[in-house]
Amino acid sequence: EAGVAQSPRYKIIEKRQSVAFWCNPISGHATLYWYQQILGQGPKLLIQFQNNGVVDDSQLPKDRFSAERLKGVDSTLKIQPAKLEDSAVYLCASSSHQGASYEQYFGPGTRLTVT
Amino acid sequence: AQSVTQPDIHITVSEGASLELRCNYSYGATPYLFWYVQSPGQGLQLLLKYFSGDTLVQGIKGFEAEFKRSQSSFNLRKPSVHWSDAAEYFCAVGAKEYGNKLVFGAGTILRVKS
Repeated sequence: EAGVAQSPRYKIIEKRQSVAFWCNPISGHATLYWYQQILGQGPKLLIQFQNNGVVDDSQLPKDRFSAERLKGVDSTLKIQPAKLEDSAVYLCASSSHQGASYEQYFGPGTRLTVT
Repeated sequence: AQSVTQPDIHITVSEGASLELRCNYSYGATPYLFWYVQSPGQGLQLLLKYFSGDTLVQGIKGFEAEFKRSQSSFNLRKPSVHWSDAAEYFCAVGAKEYGNKLVFGAGTILRVKS
């Protein structure tokens, strides 16, 4: 089974520019998560989707970050405009939540550097 | 508020020695507990998980962890470390009551010396 796919793997932008990340979850997984991992810290949840609806976006900086999951499959995360403190790895994860399984499967991440 | 504490930022062990990585959590619900490993430039790989039942759980690569409710701990252990185990390890907690989102600790970097 194919894993969670993310692109691009690396991105360097200047502050105030915009950037978008893409995630394709494991086939059939209804729940999709975006995490932000700042260097030296654990991942922090930004937004959680169940199919194409938002379950939790309480920690998403909505003045600059947006995310969508059209058709309940792949998802994009956008930052506009970027700030220096947005430099981080952005991880996408998915889970099926079938039965008793709540395991989240993570993609390789997108490393963003804002200069 | 939910929180996860990994007290050790860095740990160095000799190859072949035993390993224990500590994890303590504060959670207002019955937790699910996970240990993930992250190699440089890679995503997170699940080592093991605890949902219910036997409090000693076995994972991949020879790792195990023990859930101690009275101590709010979920420490990761391995009897004999291999050089390939050098990586960063994250403890995470989730609960159905909180939509199954994971709260991660800050991670422990494991160095293995030969």
